[in-house]
Amino acid sequence: EVQLVESGGGLVQPGGSLRLSCAASGFTFSTYWMTWVRQAPGKGLEWVANIQQDGSEKSYVDSVKGRFTISRDNAKNSLYLQMNSLRAEDTAVYYCARVLGGALGYFFDYWGQGTLLTVSS
Amino acid sequence: SYVLTQPPSVLVAPGQTARITCGGNNIGSKSVHWYQQKPGQAPVLVVYHNSDRPSGIPERFSGSNSGNTATLTISRVEAGDEADYYCQVWDGNSAHPIFGGGTKLTVL
Repeated sequence: EVQLVESGGGLVQPGGSLRLSCAASGFTFSTYWMTWVRQAPGKGLEWVANIQQDGSEKSYVDSVKGRFTISRDNAKNSLYLQMNSLRAEDTAVYYCARVLGGALGYFFDYWGQGTLLTVSS
Repeated sequence: SYVLTQPPSVLVAPGQTARITCGGNNIGSKSVHWYQQKPGQAPVLVVYHNSDRPSGIPERFSGSNSGNTATLTISRVEAGDEADYYCQVWDGNSAHPIFGGGTKLTVL
């Protein structure tokens, strides 16, 4: 059974840093792209970042470029999101998800339960 | 950047058919995916590649895509289908996924 379990969320002051983790199990983690998607309170889904299987290719939504870094450790079946210079507008539930697809386009077939980040003084 | 437009809400009576639309410029040329999100829960994939269903998703859920509109159709709606539904495409220009704003399905 595919499982994705996020951790690391919490309350952080503006300008602070935090690292989210996502522990994967039930599939061969190293063979899949992975992604982070966030959802601000009462709002819709917003894609944050993607990372290729070996970590060599990464992409980010413009609003987090230069502040967030996605990474992975395939030996530990884990995905990470290092978040620096946090802003109030980063407050959201952060989901990790497995990426599937190909030439027809990519989508997210399994999601974790999410971890809440609150940025506030 | 590419924009997906969904109606904020759709109302449907139990047993009837709900249709949730997702509009985008020439969206028919793209592959559209749909997610269901119940309150306090993570999104769940219900349709991918316009009309394919993941295992475990009831046949009542179906999708279509043509022209400038993709549609998620839920037949014989049940109370348990009440949720937010999001469409998603992959924007080839930016190499990023794009989500629609979401539609709240209310079962009367």
